[in-house]
Amino acid sequence: DAMVIQNPRYQVTQFGKPVTLSCSQTLNHNVMYWYQQKSSQAPKLLFHYYDKDFNNEADTPDNFQSRRPNTSFCFLDIRSPGLGDAAMYLCATSRDGGHSSVEAFFGQGTRLTVV
Amino acid sequence: GENVEQHPSTLSVQEGDSAVIKCTYSDSASNYFPWYKQELGKGPQLIIDIRSNVGEKKDQRIAVTLNKTAKHFSLHITETQPEDSAVYFCAASITGGGADGLTFGKGTHLIIQP
Repeated sequence: DAMVIQNPRYQVTQFGKPVTLSCSQTLNHNVMYWYQQKSSQAPKLLFHYYDKDFNNEADTPDNFQSRRPNTSFCFLDIRSPGLGDAAMYLCATSRDGGHSSVEAFFGQGTRLTVV
Repeated sequence: GENVEQHPSTLSVQEGDSAVIKCTYSDSASNYFPWYKQELGKGPQLIIDIRSNVGEKKDQRIAVTLNKTAKHFSLHITETQPEDSAVYFCAASITGGGADGLTFGKGTHLIIQP
Protein backbone atom coordinates (compact mmCIF):
# COMPACT_ATOMS: atom_id res chain seq x y z
CA ASP A 1 0.00 0.00 0.00
CA ALA A 2 1.24 3.46 -0.89
CA MET A 3 2.44 5.30 2.22
CA VAL A 4 3.13 8.70 0.65
CA ILE A 5 0.48 9.62 -1.86
CA GLN A 6 0.72 12.51 -4.25
CA ASN A 7 -2.14 13.88 -6.28
CA PRO A 8 -2.44 14.37 -9.08
CA ARG A 9 0.28 12.32 -10.80
CA TYR A 10 0.20 14.70 -13.76
CA GLN A 11 -0.82 18.35 -13.67
CA VAL A 12 -1.02 20.79 -16.56
CA THR A 13 -1.38 24.44 -15.69
CA GLN A 14 -1.35 27.69 -17.58
CA PHE A 15 1.48 30.16 -17.34
CA GLY A 16 0.77 32.42 -14.36
CA LYS A 17 -2.23 30.46 -13.08
CA PRO A 18 -1.91 29.35 -9.43
CA VAL A 19 -1.66 25.63 -8.91
CA THR A 20 -1.68 23.41 -5.83
CA LEU A 21 -0.12 19.98 -5.50
CA SER A 22 -1.07 17.72 -2.63
CA CYS A 23 0.63 15.07 -0.56
CA SER A 24 -0.74 12.78 2.11
CA GLN A 25 0.95 10.17 4.27
CA THR A 26 -0.18 7.23 6.34
CA LEU A 27 3.10 6.88 8.25
CA ASN A 28 2.38 9.50 10.93
CA HIS A 29 5.80 10.98 10.28
CA ASN A 30 6.49 14.36 11.80
CA VAL A 31 8.65 15.70 8.96
CA MET A 32 7.39 16.35 5.44
CA TYR A 33 9.45 17.64 2.53
CA TRP A 34 8.94 19.04 -0.93
CA TYR A 35 11.61 18.50 -3.57
CA GLN A 36 11.75 19.80 -7.13
CA GLN A 37 13.31 17.51 -9.74
CA LYS A 38 13.88 18.86 -13.22
CA SER A 39 14.52 16.56 -16.12
CA SER A 40 17.68 14.45 -15.70
CA GLN A 41 18.63 16.31 -12.53
CA ALA A 42 18.84 15.49 -8.85
CA PRO A 43 15.94 16.29 -6.52
CA LYS A 44 16.40 19.70 -4.91
CA LEU A 45 14.91 20.48 -1.52
CA LEU A 46 12.46 23.40 -1.60
CA PHE A 47 11.31 23.37 2.04
CA HIS A 48 10.18 21.10 4.81
CA TYR A 49 7.89 21.01 7.78
CA TYR A 50 9.20 19.75 11.08
CA ASP A 51 5.90 19.20 12.84
CA LYS A 52 4.24 22.57 12.32
CA ASP A 53 7.48 24.48 11.90
CA PHE A 54 8.11 25.58 8.34
CA ASN A 55 11.73 25.56 7.10
CA ASN A 56 12.43 27.25 3.80
CA GLU A 57 15.62 26.67 1.84
CA ALA A 58 17.49 29.92 1.23
CA ASP A 59 17.29 29.68 -2.56
CA THR A 60 13.65 28.65 -2.87
CA PRO A 61 11.78 31.32 -4.86
CA ASP A 62 8.97 33.23 -3.15
CA ASN A 63 6.68 31.89 -5.86
CA PHE A 64 6.64 28.59 -3.95
CA GLN A 65 4.63 28.27 -0.76
CA SER A 66 3.53 25.38 1.39
CA ARG A 67 0.82 24.52 3.86
CA ARG A 68 0.53 21.71 6.34
CA PRO A 69 -2.94 21.71 7.92
CA ASN A 70 -2.34 18.52 9.88
CA THR A 71 0.18 15.70 10.29
CA SER A 72 -1.09 13.76 7.30
CA PHE A 73 -1.35 16.41 4.61
CA CYS A 74 0.98 18.90 3.00
CA PHE A 75 0.39 21.16 0.01
CA LEU A 76 2.70 22.88 -2.43
CA ASP A 77 1.33 26.12 -3.86
CA ILE A 78 2.90 27.75 -6.89
CA ARG A 79 1.48 31.24 -7.05
CA SER A 80 2.43 32.16 -10.61
CA PRO A 81 3.93 29.22 -12.46
CA GLY A 82 6.49 30.01 -15.10
CA LEU A 83 7.81 27.78 -17.85
CA GLY A 84 10.89 27.16 -15.72
CA ASP A 85 8.77 25.62 -12.98
CA ALA A 86 7.91 22.61 -15.11
CA ALA A 87 9.33 19.67 -13.21
CA MET A 88 8.58 16.61 -11.14
CA TYR A 89 7.60 17.60 -7.61
CA LEU A 90 8.37 15.01 -4.98
CA CYS A 91 6.92 14.82 -1.51
CA ALA A 92 8.79 12.87 1.16
CA THR A 93 8.33 12.11 4.83
CA SER A 94 10.53 10.99 7.67
CA ARG A 95 10.36 10.53 11.39
CA ASP A 96 13.00 12.45 13.21
CA GLY A 97 14.38 10.04 15.75
CA GLY A 98 17.58 11.80 16.61
CA HIS A 99 20.31 9.27 15.93
CA SER A 100 17.96 6.41 15.13
CA SER A 101 17.01 5.34 11.65
CA VAL A 102 14.89 7.94 9.90
CA GLU A 103 14.61 6.81 6.32
CA ALA A 104 12.89 9.28 4.03
CA PHE A 105 9.95 7.85 2.09
CA PHE A 106 9.13 9.44 -1.24
CA GLY A 107 5.85 9.64 -3.07
CA GLN A 108 5.53 8.87 -6.78
CA GLY A 109 5.71 12.53 -7.63
CA THR A 110 3.56 14.99 -9.55
CA ARG A 111 4.78 15.93 -12.99
CA LEU A 112 3.88 19.57 -13.61
CA THR A 113 3.64 20.95 -17.13
CA VAL A 114 3.25 24.68 -17.68
CA VAL A 115 1.70 25.79 -20.97
CA GLY B 1 26.02 24.18 2.49
CA GLU B 2 26.66 20.57 1.59
CA ASN B 3 27.77 19.64 -1.93
CA VAL B 4 27.61 16.06 -3.20
CA GLU B 5 29.46 14.96 -6.33
CA GLN B 6 28.54 11.67 -8.00
CA HIS B 7 30.36 9.66 -10.69
CA PRO B 8 29.92 8.33 -13.26
CA SER B 9 26.84 9.96 -14.78
CA THR B 10 26.22 6.85 -16.90
CA LEU B 11 27.41 3.32 -16.26
CA SER B 12 26.87 0.38 -18.58
CA VAL B 13 27.73 -3.12 -17.36
CA GLN B 14 27.10 -6.64 -18.58
CA GLU B 15 24.46 -8.61 -16.76
CA GLY B 16 26.10 -10.56 -13.95
CA ASP B 17 29.00 -8.13 -13.57
CA SER B 18 29.44 -5.70 -10.69
CA ALA B 19 28.69 -1.98 -10.72
CA VAL B 20 30.29 0.67 -8.54
CA ILE B 21 29.07 4.24 -8.14
CA LYS B 22 31.09 6.78 -6.18
CA CYS B 23 30.17 9.95 -4.33
CA THR B 24 32.07 12.60 -2.44
CA TYR B 25 30.70 15.14 -0.02
CA SER B 26 32.03 18.44 1.20
CA ASP B 27 30.71 18.97 4.72
CA SER B 28 32.52 16.92 7.34
CA ALA B 29 29.48 17.35 9.59
CA SER B 30 27.40 15.11 7.31
CA ASN B 31 26.72 11.80 8.98
CA TYR B 32 23.89 10.10 7.11
CA PHE B 33 24.33 8.76 3.57
CA PRO B 34 21.43 7.06 1.79
CA TRP B 35 21.27 5.67 -1.72
CA TYR B 36 18.09 5.89 -3.76
CA LYS B 37 16.99 4.07 -6.90
CA GLN B 38 14.63 5.90 -9.22
CA GLU B 39 12.83 4.20 -12.07
CA LEU B 40 11.33 6.17 -14.91
CA GLY B 41 8.30 8.17 -13.84
CA LYS B 42 8.53 7.10 -10.20
CA GLY B 43 9.73 8.58 -6.96
CA PRO B 44 13.12 7.65 -5.46
CA GLN B 45 13.18 4.50 -3.38
CA LEU B 46 15.72 3.93 -0.63
CA ILE B 47 17.88 0.88 -1.28
CA ILE B 48 20.50 1.19 1.43
CA ASP B 49 21.88 3.78 3.83
CA ILE B 50 24.87 4.17 6.10
CA ARG B 51 25.72 6.30 9.07
CA SER B 52 29.08 7.84 9.84
CA ASN B 53 29.80 5.48 12.70
CA VAL B 54 29.88 2.53 10.29
CA GLY B 55 32.41 1.83 7.52
CA GLU B 56 30.46 -0.71 5.49
CA LYS B 57 26.98 -2.12 5.22
CA LYS B 58 25.64 -4.97 3.09
CA ASP B 59 22.19 -6.08 2.07
CA GLN B 60 22.24 -9.11 -0.24
CA ARG B 61 23.71 -7.91 -3.57
CA ILE B 62 24.07 -4.33 -2.46
CA ALA B 63 26.80 -2.82 -0.28
CA VAL B 64 27.83 0.66 0.68
CA THR B 65 31.24 1.74 1.96
CA LEU B 66 32.09 5.00 3.69
CA ASN B 67 35.46 6.68 4.15
CA LYS B 68 34.93 9.59 6.52
CA THR B 69 38.51 10.79 6.31
CA ALA B 70 38.37 11.10 2.54
CA LYS B 71 34.71 12.14 2.60
CA HIS B 72 33.59 9.64 0.04
CA PHE B 73 31.15 6.76 -0.10
CA SER B 74 30.39 4.16 -2.71
CA LEU B 75 27.58 1.85 -3.80
CA HIS B 76 28.47 -1.64 -4.93
CA ILE B 77 26.00 -3.86 -6.76
CA THR B 78 27.11 -7.43 -7.46
CA GLU B 79 25.64 -9.96 -9.89
CA THR B 80 23.71 -7.24 -11.68
CA GLN B 81 20.32 -8.07 -13.18
CA PRO B 82 18.20 -6.32 -15.82
CA GLU B 83 15.88 -4.98 -13.12
CA ASP B 84 18.81 -3.08 -11.63
CA SER B 85 18.64 -0.70 -14.59
CA ALA B 86 17.58 2.69 -13.20
CA VAL B 87 18.97 6.03 -12.05
CA TYR B 88 20.78 5.86 -8.72
CA PHE B 89 21.23 8.87 -6.46
CA CYS B 90 23.52 9.23 -3.50
CA ALA B 91 22.67 11.77 -0.84
CA ALA B 92 24.05 13.25 2.35
CA SER B 93 22.56 14.87 5.40
CA ILE B 94 24.16 16.91 8.12
CA THR B 95 21.75 16.02 10.86
CA GLY B 96 22.02 12.56 12.28
CA GLY B 97 18.55 11.63 11.23
CA GLY B 98 18.33 13.49 7.98
CA ALA B 99 15.43 15.53 9.32
CA ASP B 100 16.73 18.71 7.70
CA GLY B 101 16.49 17.15 4.26
CA LEU B 102 18.92 15.55 1.86
CA THR B 103 21.45 16.94 -0.58
CA PHE B 104 21.53 14.67 -3.61
CA GLY B 105 24.22 13.89 -6.13
CA LYS B 106 23.35 14.35 -9.80
CA GLY B 107 22.59 10.69 -10.34
CA THR B 108 24.02 7.75 -12.24
CA HIS B 109 22.10 6.10 -15.04
CA LEU B 110 22.91 2.41 -14.66
CA ILE B 111 22.33 0.31 -17.76
CA ILE B 112 22.51 -3.47 -17.50
CA GLN B 113 23.34 -5.02 -20.86
CA PRO B 114 21.83 -8.49 -21.39
